[in-house]
Amino acid sequence: EVQLVESGGGLVQPGRSLRLACRTSGFIFGTYAMSWFRQAPGKGLEWVGFVRSTVYGGTTEYAASVKGRFSISRDESESIAYLEMSGLKTDDTGVYYCSRGQDPATGIWSDAFDIWGQGTMVTVSS
Amino acid sequence: DIQMTQSPSSLSASVGDRVTITCQASQDIRSDLGWFQQKPGKAPKRLIFAASSLQSGVPSRFSGSGSGTEFTLTISSLQPEDFATYYCLQHHFFPWAFGQGTTVEIK
Repeated sequence: EVQLVESGGGLVQPGRSLRLACRTSGFIFGTYAMSWFRQAPGKGLEWVGFVRSTVYGGTTEYAASVKGRFSISRDESESIAYLEMSGLKTDDTGVYYCSRGQDPATGIWSDAFDIWGQGTMVTVSS
Repeated sequence: DIQMTQSPSSLSASVGDRVTITCQASQDIRSDLGWFQQKPGKAPKRLIFAASSLQSGVPSRFSGSGSGTEFTLTISSLQPEDFATYYCLQHHFFPWAFGQGTTVEIK
């Protein structure tokens, strides 16, 4: 069964750091890109960032709101995608989701965003 | 950056009604658009990919159309389980962007 499970959320003070993990199973992790999204309480969905598969260099893209503060990485041996968040602000509060993606260079989107984790809550507050 | 204008922001409909939700992109995004359904406290669920392809397992009453800048999600006959919030997502240009969402409520 294809599955994504996020972890690492919690309560953190403004300015501090937190690392979220997205553990994957049921598919060949190395051949897929991964995306992170978030949703502030009572608000809509927001794209956070993206990491290409190792086949396409594992390079990353970020939303302007998190660029320079958030970083996405991959652990190919454990099939985990990480979202490292630093300099956290109260506006970063929300549920964070990971989703399976596909490399844009392929032009194929049939497997992109088809699988999502259950989400992990991040609360930034003093 | 691409702006996605989704309308309406909410609608009230009855079981059996035909419902249409639209997304307009500020630039040509080809067919790089997906539609998602989200219920309270749950992760989004993909309904449509590549603007018009139905996700496996999704009922055929859902359909997507459009390309370029104008896109539509149609529910041909609304069912009780379809009351939810729907989002479009463009993934042609970074930064990717969602529409503002459409909440479908029971009339």
